[in-house]
Amino acid sequence: QQQVKQSPQSLIVQKGGISIINCAYENTAFDYFPWYQQFPGKGPALLIAIRPDVSEKKEGRFTISFNKSAKQFSLHIMDSQPGDSATYFCAASLGGSEKLVFGKGTKLTVNP
Amino acid sequence: SAVISQKPSRDICQRGTSLTIQCQVDSQVTMMFWYRQQPGQSLTLIATANQGSEATYESGFVIDKFPISRPNLTFSTLTVSNMSPEDSSIYLCSAEVQAGSEAFFGQGTRLTVV
Repeated sequence: QQQVKQSPQSLIVQKGGISIINCAYENTAFDYFPWYQQFPGKGPALLIAIRPDVSEKKEGRFTISFNKSAKQFSLHIMDSQPGDSATYFCAASLGGSEKLVFGKGTKLTVNP
Repeated sequence: SAVISQKPSRDICQRGTSLTIQCQVDSQVTMMFWYRQQPGQSLTLIATANQGSEATYESGFVIDKFPISRPNLTFSTLTVSNMSPEDSSIYLCSAEVQAGSEAFFGQGTRLTVV
């Protein structure tokens, strides 16, 4: 009930390509879906977040697509850059940042 | 926003000992949390640190093993007690500036138990 399933586990993309990471959740009560970016040796940093009243949110090269009926959401990174190489975590919660349930993470490598 | 500082950044400890991790936020925050991130794994919430009262622990985590203090709105500590090699992990402090807002994370404390 509390799981968030994330795929793929790792992803290699060429510079300029599109990176797509998918997540699925089980608890229909979840109403906050953030994506975090983590570089080695650093704590996670919020990248972008969405609530279920919208189906898509875009911030620069980063877009979240949300499908409430399928209980799925995804992160698209357009024009991927080597500096985007990091581990990305999706998460879900009820209300806000309390009790965030994280996916297992996706290690993204963008080759120059 | 909030800047979160954790001390120590890393430590190597003997089994059976305890380590206290400090978390300092540069502004008053409503909520503070402690997470564990095992190597190459996801983040798991240990507990919510409540100001002026006992922490709220998630399933699988107990106060005797992970005592938490939060004496004010900017500071919290997590103690990992009677450590074993299985406690080797990264421990992360997180804070929510106001209810419903984003969570900020510290850089983590990398603990190795030998």
